[in-house]
Amino acid sequence: GESVGLHLPTLSVQEGDNSIINCAYSNSASDYFIWYKQESGKGPQFIIDIRSNMDKRQGQRVTVLLNKTVKHLSLQIAATQPGDSAVYFCAETRISSGSARQLTFGSGTQLTVLP
Amino acid sequence: EADIYQTPRYLVIGTGKKITLECSQTMGHDKMYWYQQDPGMELHLIHYSYGVNSTEKGDLSSESTVSRIRTEHFPLTLESARPSHTSQYLCASSESYRIQETQYFGPGTRLLVL
Repeated sequence: GESVGLHLPTLSVQEGDNSIINCAYSNSASDYFIWYKQESGKGPQFIIDIRSNMDKRQGQRVTVLLNKTVKHLSLQIAATQPGDSAVYFCAETRISSGSARQLTFGSGTQLTVLP
Repeated sequence: EADIYQTPRYLVIGTGKKITLECSQTMGHDKMYWYQQDPGMELHLIHYSYGVNSTEKGDLSSESTVSRIRTEHFPLTLESARPSHTSQYLCASSESYRIQETQYFGPGTRLLVL
């Protein structure tokens, strides 16, 4: 069946290093991808998105890369800071029945920033 | 930051009780969603709505029900809570006119059924 999954459940990085969080998806019809950050006790917070007609998109300290050939998505965080410690989810959307675009979420990667 | 609110934030209740989880957004979004999330796990869509008087079931089977009488309000009700309903419930909303519809999430309600 269709799924969005993350390669690694946990990731620890030193403060100041770059972080790379990976995500695989299986539905080739997916046309829009989002990365969310979820801190403990809070709801997911939008970080960055990318459409399927793009390979790369940059935000502030974050970059999302999309490889449609291998159905792979990654989130790169530059100069990781303690405030970046959280669970990161990738999510994909596809046109489904009706006009509501449903999100399919991966299982999440816990990023821990070490001092 | 998105203006979407959920109450209560935490709820401990006994088996068999009826509960309603509230969700409100002030952004005028047509679409609203309810997700269930166990700690550290992925989110599962249980209900969504295109707009007023529209409700649909999501991918994950749920014994809860929802209503959408007003654009800004999307409450979720459990008629008879059970321990298996213990989870976190997240409400989200999105705009309907954009091709890319980012969903904005509320802070969630953590439910514990004893």
